[in-house]
Amino acid sequence: DAKTTQPPSMDCAEGRAANLPCNHSTISGNEYVYWYRQIHSQGPQYIIHGLKNNETNEMASLIITEDRKSSTLILPHATLRDTAVYYCIVSGGYGNKLVFGAGTILRVKS
Amino acid sequence: GAVVSQHPSWVICKSGTSVKIECRSLDFQATTMFWYRQFPKQSLMLMATSNEGSKATYEQGVEKDKFLINHASLTLSTLTVTSAHPEDSSFYICSATLDRLRWGSPLHFGNGTRLTVT
Repeated sequence: DAKTTQPPSMDCAEGRAANLPCNHSTISGNEYVYWYRQIHSQGPQYIIHGLKNNETNEMASLIITEDRKSSTLILPHATLRDTAVYYCIVSGGYGNKLVFGAGTILRVKS
Repeated sequence: GAVVSQHPSWVICKSGTSVKIECRSLDFQATTMFWYRQFPKQSLMLMATSNEGSKATYEQGVEKDKFLINHASLTLSTLTVTSAHPEDSSFYICSATLDRLRWGSPLHFGNGTRLTVT
C-alpha cells in the first residue's frame, strides 16, 4: 500500500470549513484514497473515498489533484463534534486491508 | 447505523485467563474481516485477516497461538486472547467491507472492545 503524509495536528474555528491535506505521491493507478476519522475510544468512522474524481457526500468533500499525488478532505462547516483524528489511507483491491498512519488531530474550537 | 457490531464493548479479565471478542457483520456477508489493535495515543495496527472457512493470516510479529481467530460463518469472526497478560490490554477493533465484489469498497469498523487485563 502507498504511504501517506498528513500534518500531525490542525485547529479550526467552529462553523468554518476544515481543510485537511494528505500527500500520497506514490499512489498507484488503481488505488483509492480513503478518509476515516476516529473519535476518542470509538472505532474509525468511514467518511469518504475516491479514485480520481472529486467526491461529495453528506459528511464531507474530497478533492483529489489531477496527478493524484495529493488530496484534501473538506468539512464544510466544522462543529465541536468533528474534533477527532482523521486518517488518510491509500489502498486498492477487493475488500483490501487498510494500513493506518498517524493521522491528523483536528481540534475544532468555539 | 452500524454495519459491524462488536461484543463486548469492554471487558476486564484476570491475568492468565482467556477472553473472546465477537465481530458481526449486520445484514451482509463478510468472507473477510480484519482485526486491529490500538494502544493509547497510537494508531491502529493490523493484527490479522480473518477468512471465512479457512485459517487467518497474521501480520508479522503477531502470535497466532495467542490471538486465536475463528471465522466460522459469513457474519461472525471471533478473536480469542489466550492466557492474557497486562501487556495485552488494548483496544481491539474489527472491520469488514459491505461489498467484497466491488473494487475499492471501503471497510467499515466496529466500535471496538476495550480489554483490560489485571
